[in-house]
Amino acid sequence: GQSLEQPSEVTAVEGAIVQINCTYQTSGFYGLSWYQQHDGGAPTFLSYNGLDGLEETGRFSSFLSRSDSYGYLLLQELQMKDSASYFCAASNAGNMLTFGGGTRLMVKP
Amino acid sequence: EPEVTQTPSHQVTQMGQEVILRCVPISNHLYFYWYRQILGQKVEFLVSFYNNEISEKSEIFDDQFSVERPDGSNFTLKIRSTKLEDSAMYFCASNRDRDSISRGYTFGSGTRLTVV
Repeated sequence: GQSLEQPSEVTAVEGAIVQINCTYQTSGFYGLSWYQQHDGGAPTFLSYNGLDGLEETGRFSSFLSRSDSYGYLLLQELQMKDSASYFCAASNAGNMLTFGGGTRLMVKP
Repeated sequence: EPEVTQTPSHQVTQMGQEVILRCVPISNHLYFYWYRQILGQKVEFLVSFYNNEISEKSEIFDDQFSVERPDGSNFTLKIRSTKLEDSAMYFCASNRDRDSISRGYTFGSGTRLTVV
């Protein structure tokens, strides 16, 4: 089985940088994904790391270290619309996703 | 942009009744999934489906649950005898192939199931 731990809440101000960490304990780990979910909405895909290192997509970057069973999502130049829940999710070879408990990000003016 | 479509958006049912949740995945996608999210909690895997059969299922997906692809477009989740604890948002998702995990799933907007 797989379990993922991430902080439950993070608060930051507009324009700042925030890092959301995720540690995992897994069997058959294949890669780590990040999803954003606004209240009442569906999860939307942000980023995926299949290999160690940094992946950058615009204002969002994600990092994975397999040796440390650790990853993070980095959000830069925060905007009010970034207020949402962010989930890390580990995938196995069958592409099944196991989600972490989610981090609620509140961006303040 | 292609979408995964789910109907209904909200379903209220009495305990013990059968419900069918419907999904239309993206047309060229081959892998289909059902996930659920109890209010305020994390998203949980239920089942994956490929080539007209279940690929993987979780402990949640017991004998009360079944999935079907009755025609070339719909993908359904049936709960035979609903319980209060089945109340949750149910998300359908799809992706094109095994390697497209790097491009992420496309989730539908969900069906909120309320069992009373």
